[in-house]
Amino acid sequence: AQKITQTQPGMFVQEKEAVTLDCTYDTSDQSYGLFWYKQPSSGEMIFLIYQGSYDEQNATEGRYSLNFQKARKSANLVISASQLGDSAMYFCAMREAVTGTASKLTFGTGTRLQVTL
Amino acid sequence: DSGVTQTPKHLITATGQRVTLRCSPRSGDLSVYWYQQSLDQGLQFLIQYYNGEERAKGNILERFSAQQFPDLHSELNLSSLELGDSALYFCASSVAPLRMTNTGELFFGEGSRLTVL
Repeated sequence: AQKITQTQPGMFVQEKEAVTLDCTYDTSDQSYGLFWYKQPSSGEMIFLIYQGSYDEQNATEGRYSLNFQKARKSANLVISASQLGDSAMYFCAMREAVTGTASKLTFGTGTRLQVTL
Repeated sequence: DSGVTQTPKHLITATGQRVTLRCSPRSGDLSVYWYQQSLDQGLQFLIQYYNGEERAKGNILERFSAQQFPDLHSELNLSSLELGDSALYFCASSVAPLRMTNTGELFFGEGSRLTVL
């Protein structure tokens, strides 16, 4: 069974600073995908970034980058130049195919990020 | 706007009752997933449908059932409701890609917040 671990229940960062949210995973599969989602207080889940297990380069999307260390089974999210609007809950998730057409995302418990002035 | 539509957005009901949550996936997406987000359990995968057929099952209670209709919309039925069923229920959709192709990103609706009194 796969497992996603986010060890930081809460984080604070000052505006304009960078912050790293930790995520480790456990799977015996060779092919998998790692995701980060943002959930603001309004509740919706917003996709941020994706990293495939065979991708050799770390994924980047604007101010978001994913520090993928396959041997350590870690997929940390780095947010550069934090903004007040980044305050939210952040979830790491792993996608695993069950069959050719079946897959699911398993989520970590989340990290609540608070950006301060 | 993710393109996934969930109704109702809020629902308050009493223990023992039955409710139906509805989801319309993004245009072109064949796969629908249901997730439950509660304070103590985090985001839990319930069930996945692909083109009308059940494909993967997670931690879904026997009191809960779901289906995906020919027009690809899905309904999650919750019966004999208990206080502990109070949660945010998310529907998400994807194209359901193969194991190693594209991101397999899930697009989430805004959720249906169920309160059982």
